[in-house]
Amino acid sequence: NAGVTQTPKFQVLKTGQSMTLQCAQDMNHNSMYWYRQDPGMGLRLIYYSASEGTTDKGEVPNGYNVSRLNKREFSLRLESAAPSQTSVYFCACAKGTSNQPQHFGDGTRLSIL
Amino acid sequence: QKEVEQNSGPLSVPEGAIASLNCTYSDRGSQSFFWYRQYSGKSPELIMFIYSNGDKEDGRFTAQLNKASQYVSLLIRDSQPSDSATYLCAVSDSGYSTLTFGKGTMLLVSP
Repeated sequence: NAGVTQTPKFQVLKTGQSMTLQCAQDMNHNSMYWYRQDPGMGLRLIYYSASEGTTDKGEVPNGYNVSRLNKREFSLRLESAAPSQTSVYFCACAKGTSNQPQHFGDGTRLSIL
Repeated sequence: QKEVEQNSGPLSVPEGAIASLNCTYSDRGSQSFFWYRQYSGKSPELIMFIYSNGDKEDGRFTAQLNKASQYVSLLIRDSQPSDSATYLCAVSDSGYSTLTFGKGTMLLVSP
């Protein structure tokens, strides 16, 4: 009963490299979300997918792309990593829209040199 | 720009006391309100959610909502050192698509 699984847990990249963060949920939830959390900035929404087949931009989408591969999986891609993207990234899922609680994965700690 | 405001703290309380955490929000159309607890280096963990004005109790936790004044609070009774964490307030947007999170209040419970 894993809930929300994120891989990898830690990653160090060089500026300009690309990377995909993976997220999978076994809760049979429809909505999935990607956040970044920086000191003093709180959780900020990057992209979300309200249901399979749809994706929408959040508050800070620049420099990122997403793919909702199927109901279970929602990936986040950094095409050309920049030091400003050093952060902790959290994936979350919810049964439906925002009147439902979101459940978070353990996070990916990403450093870009 | 939707805003959710929380005092960053730290809020320091002695063991056994009541901790009161507050949150205000700007979107008058918000309908759903959530409290998460986040230990250092860990992911946010849902504590409570509340949809209607008034109080909602779950064990030592009570969420209070006042939509007219646009604030939501979390009371923790009989605070324990294990309650020491950052507490995040999250508020739905009026379109029911996303949550906006506050920056969190750090709570320190001293033995």
